[in-house]
Amino acid sequence: GDSVTQMEGPVTLSEEAFLTINCTYTATGYPSLFWYVQYPGEGLQLLLKATKADDKGSNKGFEATYRKETTSFHLEKGSVQVSDSAVYFCALRNSGGSNYKLTFGKGTLLTVNP
Amino acid sequence: NAGVTQTPKFRILKIGQSMTLQCTQDMNHNYMYWYRQDPGMGLKLIYYSVGAGITDKGEVPNGYNVSRSTTEDFPLRLELAAPSQTSVYFCASSLDSRAFFGQGTRLTVV
Repeated sequence: GDSVTQMEGPVTLSEEAFLTINCTYTATGYPSLFWYVQYPGEGLQLLLKATKADDKGSNKGFEATYRKETTSFHLEKGSVQVSDSAVYFCALRNSGGSNYKLTFGKGTLLTVNP
Repeated sequence: NAGVTQTPKFRILKIGQSMTLQCTQDMNHNYMYWYRQDPGMGLKLIYYSVGAGITDKGEVPNGYNVSRSTTEDFPLRLELAAPSQTSVYFCASSLDSRAFFGQGTRLTVV
């Protein structure tokens, strides 16, 4: 079945540091890939997505590129801020058949210190 | 601009009690989902629905039931609460690839 493996946390960085959170996936067919973010006490929000190989999703300074050859979708940001502190989830959605199920990784807690 | 609304936000249940977690969306989305989030475990899919009248089991359906009589509503029922069902529950809906999440229900079973 489909699965997502992402970097174990927690990750602690200083403000303006470079961020990478690794994500790899296993899926049949051609899934869409997502990064969701969960701020404390809230539900998940879509951060960015990519729907086909070599697509780059970007939002709020975050980027991730869909790499089919390495089955990866790593999240990066050049300069993190305190307000980026949250839990980040990598996810895939396989549209095989008529069932559009999202499969999530375990989440990575990011803490950014001033 | 409500999106996905879940009630209640918090609940404490005694072992063996039953309850229904409510979820409603106003975006006319066909797909709806229930997830549970356990600490350090990410999200696990309990049940999902691809449209009114159609539901299917996810990864962890035991101990839960759902119904989907309308496009808007997707309630999750716990019949005999057990401590293992202590978790945060999220409802979500989607039309195509993007999912919208509710704010969650924190359930404690004691």
